[in-house]
Amino acid sequence: SQQGEEDPQALSIQEGENATMNCSYKTSINNLQWYRQNSGRGLVHLILIRSNEREKHSGRLRVTLDTSKKSSSLLITASRAADTASYFCATDDWDNDMRFGAGTRLTVKP
Amino acid sequence: ETGVTQSPTHLIKTRGQQVTLRCSSQSGHNTVSWYQQALGQGPQFIFQYYREEENGRGNFPPRFSGLQFPNYSSELNVNALELDDSALYLCASRGQNTDTQYFGPGTRLTVL
Repeated sequence: SQQGEEDPQALSIQEGENATMNCSYKTSINNLQWYRQNSGRGLVHLILIRSNEREKHSGRLRVTLDTSKKSSSLLITASRAADTASYFCATDDWDNDMRFGAGTRLTVKP
Repeated sequence: ETGVTQSPTHLIKTRGQQVTLRCSSQSGHNTVSWYQQALGQGPQFIFQYYREEENGRGNFPPRFSGLQFPNYSSELNVNALELDDSALYLCASRGQNTDTQYFGPGTRLTVL
C-alpha cells in the first residue's frame, strides 16, 4: 500500500519560478527520499532527509521534514524546462521496503 | 546513469503466460528491490533480496517470485499473467550501509 501522498497532483509553472511540492505520510520513518521520473522511465534519486533532520539543500533543491506533522516539502528554485517530470516522495520505515506516493507531475513552460 | 541495467526494455505477453525480467545491480551493491508501477501511480514494493535471500515482501501474490545470484544480479518471475500485471517494473540496488537506492530504467510489460 502507498504511504506518501503528494500534493498537488499536478503543477504547471513558468520557467524561472519556484515549484513547491508536498508529501504527507502515515507512520514513523527512518528517512524520506525524493525522486524524479521522466516520462515513465527509471527514477532518479534527488535527496534523502533523515528523521532527525529538518532541512536539507542540494543545488536548487530544498527539502524540509516535519515529523510531528508527518510531512515533507520539496522546493525547486529557479525552475527550468528540463525540470519537467514527475516527482515522488518515498518513505523508509525500517521495514526493508520503500513506500512511494502517487507523485506530483510538474510542467515547466519555457 | 545509475549503473543499474534491466532487460528487456519492453515485453508483450498474453494472459496466463509466464515472464522473467532481469536486473543487473550497480557494482558492489548486495541489496536489490523490485517495484511495480502502474500507469499514473507511484511504484509499489514487490520484494527485496539481500545476499540471495528474500528480505522483505510487499502485498503481492506468490506468483510473483524472485532470485538473486552470487554476482548480485536478479530476476523477477511472474506466473499466470493477468491483465492487471501490465506495468513498468523497476529494480533498484543499494550498497551496504547506505539508504539510497539506485533505479534501473525499467521494463515495460504489456499483458494482452
